[in-house]
Amino acid sequence: GESVGLHLPTLSVQEGDNSIINCAYSNSASDYFIWYKQESGKGPQFIIDIRSNMDKRQGQRVTVLLNKTVKHLSLQIAATQPGDSAVYFCAENPPPGNQFYFGTGTSLTVIP
Amino acid sequence: EPEVTQTPSHQVTQMGQEVILRCVPISNHLYFYWYRQILGQKVEFLVSFYNNEISEKSEIFDDQFSVERPDGSNFTLKIRSTKLEDSAMYFCASNWGGPYNEQFFGPGTRLTVL
Repeated sequence: GESVGLHLPTLSVQEGDNSIINCAYSNSASDYFIWYKQESGKGPQFIIDIRSNMDKRQGQRVTVLLNKTVKHLSLQIAATQPGDSAVYFCAENPPPGNQFYFGTGTSLTVIP
Repeated sequence: EPEVTQTPSHQVTQMGQEVILRCVPISNHLYFYWYRQILGQKVEFLVSFYNNEISEKSEIFDDQFSVERPDGSNFTLKIRSTKLEDSAMYFCASNWGGPYNEQFFGPGTRLTVL
């Protein structure tokens, strides 16, 4: 049958505001998670990762929160800038292998 | 800053033809990966490669696919007999320490099968 493209959730924020992007993962056994940023025409770019023994991890302007109870990840971007406009997606890694499963993605648009 | 490179940026081929997608990972990296992303869909894992052998592969990576590290710098993905549904962006990635370390992605090769 014909393959239908996924409709990405979208988020628009004003420059300088904080952004929160959410991801529901599927495998309760997953023990490692990554957030990626993908700009148009480019490959995914690592933003931040978190292991399952943590609830929160902070980077430069970004924070990842992990809620294992409801299998939910969030990415918080502080003081969002126009250069943050991109598609953001999470990836999970269930043991024992090194195969990652990627989420659908959220399209973030920053309004100057 | 070191980066993963991929060639060609766009490959057009006829159904049934063989294609080879090329990647040059970052030089001190030990783990290599191929992913694909069909237009508008999720990124999907294809295969990981370490110590000159496949360490893991997904269900997508069937007998039509193969990978090779023919020399100390290149990492290739071969599709033996392309199908229409192989049309996608193919991303190569590499890292030095396996799954729990940041993977660096190349810019991708857009494969179009006619």
